[in-house]
Amino acid sequence: NAGVTQTPKFRVLKTGQSMTLLCAQDMNHEYMYWYRQDPGMGLRLIHYSVGEGTTAKGEVPDGYNVSRLKKQNFLLGLESAAPSQTSVYFCASSYDWQGEAFFGQGTRLTVV
Amino acid sequence: AQSVTQLDSQVPVFEEAPVELRCNYSSSVSVYLFWYVQYPNQGLQLLLKYLSGSTLVKGINGFEAEFNKSQTSFHLRKPSVHISDTAEYFCAVTRTGTASKLTFGTGTRLQVTL
Repeated sequence: NAGVTQTPKFRVLKTGQSMTLLCAQDMNHEYMYWYRQDPGMGLRLIHYSVGEGTTAKGEVPDGYNVSRLKKQNFLLGLESAAPSQTSVYFCASSYDWQGEAFFGQGTRLTVV
Repeated sequence: AQSVTQLDSQVPVFEEAPVELRCNYSSSVSVYLFWYVQYPNQGLQLLLKYLSGSTLVKGINGFEAEFNKSQTSFHLRKPSVHISDTAEYFCAVTRTGTASKLTFGTGTRLQVTL
């Protein structure tokens, strides 16, 4: 009963490098989200998806891309990492927008 | 668009004392409201939610919240806190009636001491 699993848990990148964060859920949820959490700013939505093959921009989408090729997976990509992208990234999923969002354990990303 | 304001960034309280964490929201349409808790180095976990019906909502771990439409508030309360309640608490809102996204407040850190 894994719920929402994020890979990797920690990563250090150099400025300009690229990487992909993987989120996988085993609850057959339609909705998936990527948030970043920064001190004093709460969680800010980067991108979200309301179903397989769909994606939409959140509050802070610049510098990130996403893909939802399979219902259970939601990938977050950084094409050219910047120090401003140092953050803790959380993936979440929900059955619909009224229901409980289930969160992964987070990925701590540092860009140097 | 919806927004959430959590007025207190930190709330210190002694064990067994009551606590209230404040949340106000802004929206031109009807909303659903949520409280999530984040323990250190973990993801967020749902405490309770208000969708409709009774304005007093009970959640896990003895927490409850009251939806007040006229005051646009959804304050979280617990009559007697425990050390294990030390965590970050987030209020969140989404609009009703159509697919939407959760908007979170900036969080309130509850620090319970002996």
